[in-house]
Amino acid sequence: KQEVTQIPAALSVPEGENLVLNCSFTDSAIYNLQWFRQDPGKGLTSLLLIQSSQREQTSGRLNASLDKSSGRSTLYIAASQPGDSATYLCAVMGNAGNMLTFGGGTRLMVKP
Amino acid sequence: GAGVSQTPSNKVTEKGKYVELRCDPISGHTALYWYRQSLGQGPEFLIYFQGTGAADDSGLPNDRFFAVRPEGSVSTLKIQRTERGDSAVYLCASRWGGNTGELFFGEGSRLTVL
Repeated sequence: KQEVTQIPAALSVPEGENLVLNCSFTDSAIYNLQWFRQDPGKGLTSLLLIQSSQREQTSGRLNASLDKSSGRSTLYIAASQPGDSATYLCAVMGNAGNMLTFGGGTRLMVKP
Repeated sequence: GAGVSQTPSNKVTEKGKYVELRCDPISGHTALYWYRQSLGQGPEFLIYFQGTGAADDSGLPNDRFFAVRPEGSVSTLKIQRTERGDSAVYLCASRWGGNTGELFFGEGSRLTVL
């Protein structure tokens, strides 16, 4: 059974810092990995989708990498802003089925 | 519609009552998912539809939970004899057919069982 772990569970940084969020998964047989953002009381907003054949994806200040063989992904946020404060979730789509398995999330606070 | 729509956004009910939660996916999306999210945790898979059929219902916790998608578009999650432990946010997501597409989530339905 696929298990997804996110470290750290919570992170507080001053505005302007570059930061890295980590995601690991136990079964490397995946179709893709997706990073989401969730604001309090809201649904999930898709940030980046990396297919299993890709190594990274970039969108603005966000860069996500994927090392499928080692079961790891990182989300890099450059020049963090208070508006980046949210919970960040990673999820993997397994080969065996069609569902996303989620990690527990990293709760990020960027202080002005 | 422009995005995944879920109703109601909030539902408070008493223990033992019956509840229905509705999901209207993005137009043309053939795959639809239901997830459940408890406070401070990541979403947990409940059920997946491809078209009208439930392709994977392995995440439904017990037989009090049931979901339908009769015309391959709107889906309804039904919970019988609700229990306090059913309190959570129920999230719906949709995508184009196939396994490589991006999932788009709705805002969720927050269920509170008193």
